[in-house]
Amino acid sequence: DAGITQSPRHKVTETGTPVTLRCHQTENHRYMYWYRQDPGHGLRLIHYSYGVKDTDKGEVSDGYSVSRSKTEDFLLTLESATSSQTSVYFCATSGAGGGTGELFFGEGSRLTVL
Amino acid sequence: AQSVTQLGSHVSVSEGALVLLRCNYSSSVPPYLFWYVQYPNQGLQLLLKYTSAATLVKGINGFEAEFKKSETSFHLTKPSAHMSDAAEYFCAVTLSYNTDKLIFGTGTRLQVFP
Repeated sequence: DAGITQSPRHKVTETGTPVTLRCHQTENHRYMYWYRQDPGHGLRLIHYSYGVKDTDKGEVSDGYSVSRSKTEDFLLTLESATSSQTSVYFCATSGAGGGTGELFFGEGSRLTVL
Repeated sequence: AQSVTQLGSHVSVSEGALVLLRCNYSSSVPPYLFWYVQYPNQGLQLLLKYTSAATLVKGINGFEAEFKKSETSFHLTKPSAHMSDAAEYFCAVTLSYNTDKLIFGTGTRLQVFP
């Protein structure tokens, strides 16, 4: 268990409002990821980070931004939420990189945009 | 580009029966392949991984998968299903050997009937 906590776990918001999801890890892992999970799509990578202040886009990054000012925290921000961003968001971490594929996941944050 | 395709979004088996979950990959280079499991209301956890050391890979909870290059497949099997195996299973391929960015399949939900 990599000690990954996500907050909030559940959130309902309205279209056009900003939303920030937080991921906090206690394992000192270098790499952190944000995925979204939708029925029929599996998990899709939104953004990832390979170190403090080093981030890059994933396959579905439009409408999302991230920040990582400390090793342990990775924030995902929806600047202006839309209904298409209703989803379950998962944070993941990995320590080794190098294609080991061993990601450790949080329990997810369920976001509903009305 | 690397990708994975999971055949069958739902699979139902009786307790004690063989479990077979299918995954085919597309990759221009030798892939690293993974199976993850997601129990209800939880994040994903690594079940097993193929990193070219051996074509038959054994994972947790009695699962195994065989890498078949000629068929571009990495199917997941378990000889005898347990009720506790009911979950969603995701096949994944690494997108980069420098990080653990993964491309996930769309998932297969396994139901086990008594």
